[in-house]
Amino acid sequence: DQQVKQNSPSLSVQEGRISILNCDYTNSMFDYFLWYKKYPAEGPTFLISISSIKDKNEDGRFTVFLNKSAKHLSLHIVPSQPGDSAVYFCAASGAAGNKLTFGGGTRVLVKP
Amino acid sequence: GAGVSQSPRYKVAKRGQDVALRCDPISGHVSLFWYQQALGQGPEFLTYFQNEAQLDKSGLPSDRFFAERPEGSVSTLKIQRTQQEDSAVYLCASSKRDRVFSHEQYFGPGTRLTVT
Repeated sequence: DQQVKQNSPSLSVQEGRISILNCDYTNSMFDYFLWYKKYPAEGPTFLISISSIKDKNEDGRFTVFLNKSAKHLSLHIVPSQPGDSAVYFCAASGAAGNKLTFGGGTRVLVKP
Repeated sequence: GAGVSQSPRYKVAKRGQDVALRCDPISGHVSLFWYQQALGQGPEFLTYFQNEAQLDKSGLPSDRFFAERPEGSVSTLKIQRTQQEDSAVYLCASSKRDRVFSHEQYFGPGTRLTVT
């Protein structure tokens, strides 16, 4: 059973517009959520995270929103840039803070 | 080099061969993780070390998989008698402090294993 799901395998957006990536989880023991970005032939790169005690966290062009009651989080990228074209993974960890459980990824293409 | 490094980057093994994959974590990082990423999927947890202690190996798919971190720094993931289903990218990640205080993990580039 997939505990973390990214239901959109791909997303195409125009440069300068907003990219919105969604992620759903089922395990209520998860209390920390992270987004990673991955380019081909490279490892995932940490982008931004959020603790379950918050509902929003911002870092430059990246904002993560958490809706605990819906077990849903989203990543907003504003404005989108061609260099943002990559695969984005959401991940979750429990109170022990050890292993990450990943979603299947969303491939983002930002068109110039 | 400040990041996590892994070697080799690519490995081709014939079915039945043993392989060893190496991970050099970020200096001073206490926690080290191994993940397996199949094509088109997200990484899946294999095992976790805090210093030299292997605290969680619940993700290892079979007893053919073995990991060690004898001095609490470099780690090796060994796969014995490789099978075609072992073909994947093996990712290593390290984390700054112990598991209670740090959730962010920093990944290496991975080793792509192809079993023919």
